[in-house]
Amino acid sequence: AQTVTQSQPEMSVQEAETVTLSCTYDTSENNYYLFWYKQPPSRQMILVIRQEAYKQQNATENRFSVNFQKAAKSFSLKISDSQLGDTAMYFCAFMKLPTNAGKSTFGDGTTLTVKP
Amino acid sequence: ETGVTQSPTHLIKTRGQQVTLRCSSQSGHNTVSWYQQALGQGPQFIFQYYREEENGRGNFPPRFSGLQFPNYSSELNVNALELDDSALYLCASSFQRNTEAFFGQGTRLTVV
Repeated sequence: AQTVTQSQPEMSVQEAETVTLSCTYDTSENNYYLFWYKQPPSRQMILVIRQEAYKQQNATENRFSVNFQKAAKSFSLKISDSQLGDTAMYFCAFMKLPTNAGKSTFGDGTTLTVKP
Repeated sequence: ETGVTQSPTHLIKTRGQQVTLRCSSQSGHNTVSWYQQALGQGPQFIFQYYREEENGRGNFPPRFSGLQFPNYSSELNVNALELDDSALYLCASSFQRNTEAFFGQGTRLTVV
């Protein structure tokens, strides 16, 4: 079984600054995806970024980037130029392959507050 | 917003009762996954349905059951409700092995 650990229950950052959220996972699988999801107060889970384990290059999506360290089983999310709308709960998730999308293991989340 | 819709948005039930939650998947999607998210925790995988068949199940008792219809919408049924079943129930739809699953806004279930 896989486990996902997010060791920072809460974080805060000033608007326009950079923040990094941590995630570690444990698995014996070699082929998998990792995700970061954002859950605002509206409750809808939104995909922020994903990383394929076989790709060494770190994924980036605009202001969001990851630092994927496969050997260390670490997958951190960096948010640059933080905006007030980034305030939300962030979840790290793992999905073993091959599988139909949607069958993921989630961490317990980090609540991020962006301060004006 | 995604095209995944869940109903109802909120629900209050009494311990021992039964409940049915519904999920309408996004157009073109044939896979629906259900999650339970307790307050302050991450979502826990309940089960997944693919083309009307159960396609994997998490560590949940048999009183959690599901169904997927020919139009790929889905239901989650919970029998003999317990207080610990109080949670946000999320469904996510996807198209087979496409790696992105789209979530609905969830159903907040309170068991009293």
